[in-house]
Amino acid sequence: AQKITQTQPGMFVQEKEAVTLDCTYDTSDQSYGLFWYKQPSSGEMIFLIYQGSYDEQNATEGRYSLNFQKARKSANLVISASQLGDSAMYFCAMREGRGETSGSRLTFGEGTQLTVNP
Amino acid sequence: EPEVTQTPSHQVTQMGQEVILRCVPISNHLYFYWYRQILGQKVEFLVSFYNNEISEKSEIFDDQFSVERPDGSNFTLKIRSTKLEDSAMYFCASPTWGRDNYGYTFGSGTRLTVV
Repeated sequence: AQKITQTQPGMFVQEKEAVTLDCTYDTSDQSYGLFWYKQPSSGEMIFLIYQGSYDEQNATEGRYSLNFQKARKSANLVISASQLGDSAMYFCAMREGRGETSGSRLTFGEGTQLTVNP
Repeated sequence: EPEVTQTPSHQVTQMGQEVILRCVPISNHLYFYWYRQILGQKVEFLVSFYNNEISEKSEIFDDQFSVERPDGSNFTLKIRSTKLEDSAMYFCASPTWGRDNYGYTFGSGTRLTVV
């Protein structure tokens, strides 16, 4: 069974500083995908970044990077140069393996509420 | 950028009533998903739909729920007899492929309130 753990219910960061949001996962599959989503107060789910289990390099998307440590089963999200608009709930999620197909559900963590202070 | 469209954005219904939530996924995708998020909690998988059939469903997706594709582009999630605990945000999602990555695009959600 899959499990995603986000141990930080809330995080605070000063504007322009970097912040790391933690995510650990548990799976017996060799092939899986890890995702981060942002959910602002308006409620929509915004896809941020993806890391495949076989990807050797950490994923990056603009100010977002994923610190993927496979042996530790962790996939932490790093946001550099935080902005006020980054204040939101952040969810880590995992897709069960079966290769890069579209037939697999996502399992989500409990989320981390990030607050960026001016 | 491709979008997933959900209607209505908000719905208030009386307990015991039937509700139908609608979604237009990204075109030409065979897979389609519904998720639920109770206020303040994590997002939970409900059901996946592939090529006009349910592919997988969670324990939440009991006999009160059904999913249909009434025409070529629209999907619906029906709750036959709503309960107070059905109050939640309901998301539909389509898989998407980006530059070098793979993701799921979520609709903006329908906030269902059962009173």
